Amino acid sequence: DAGVIQSPRHEVTEMGQEVTLRCKPISGHNSLFWYRQTMMRGLELLIYFNNNVPIDDSGMPEDRFSAKMPNASFSTLKIQPSEPRDSAVYFCASSPTAGNTIYFGEGSWLTVV
Amino acid sequence: DAKTTQPPSMDCAEGRAANLPCNHSTISGNEYVYWYRQIHSQGPQYIIHGLKNNETNEMASLIITEDRKSSTLILPHATLRDTAVYYCIVRVGGYGNKLVFGAGTILRVKS
Repeated sequence: DAGVIQSPRHEVTEMGQEVTLRCKPISGHNSLFWYRQTMMRGLELLIYFNNNVPIDDSGMPEDRFSAKMPNASFSTLKIQPSEPRDSAVYFCASSPTAGNTIYFGEGSWLTVV
Repeated sequence: DAKTTQPPSMDCAEGRAANLPCNHSTISGNEYVYWYRQIHSQGPQYIIHGLKNNETNEMASLIITEDRKSSTLILPHATLRDTAVYYCIVRVGGYGNKLVFGAGTILRVKS
């Protein structure tokens, strides 16, 4: 079975550019989570969706960050404009309606120079 | 979500059991204990979870004390590939509830 699929796996971009990270959750999963990981702050939850509806976005650092889930099989995390401090690994994760386990993708490694 | 306390690091000899402790003294009755691990450069991987009974699967065993204030993750025969950061997380059960990660325990399995 395909797991959570994230793209791009690696991205290097210049400060000020727009960055879009993409996620395809596991088929049939109704909850989707975006996390960010840095050495300084560890794994932080940015936002999560249930049935495509954002439930908690209190972890989104500022207005430069936005996330959407237009349908059950796709989500994006956008940073505009990007800054060097946004450099991190961004993980997407999903979980099924009936179960409790959250499954993670392999991450998108973002470097902003 | 209740806070957990884990030792920052542990060492284990290859082939021996690795016992990773976790304290969660403020856990509520509807909160589960989850364990995840993260191998370098990979996404977190689910290991096991439990409410109050001990649990076992193909990866590990989870022992939860009777008062539920602490638990131990047991890897019965640790291998070098088990070297990772192990996270103990307490989480309200049910659909769509989030996982909040702490600092975890760095487990180093040595030959």
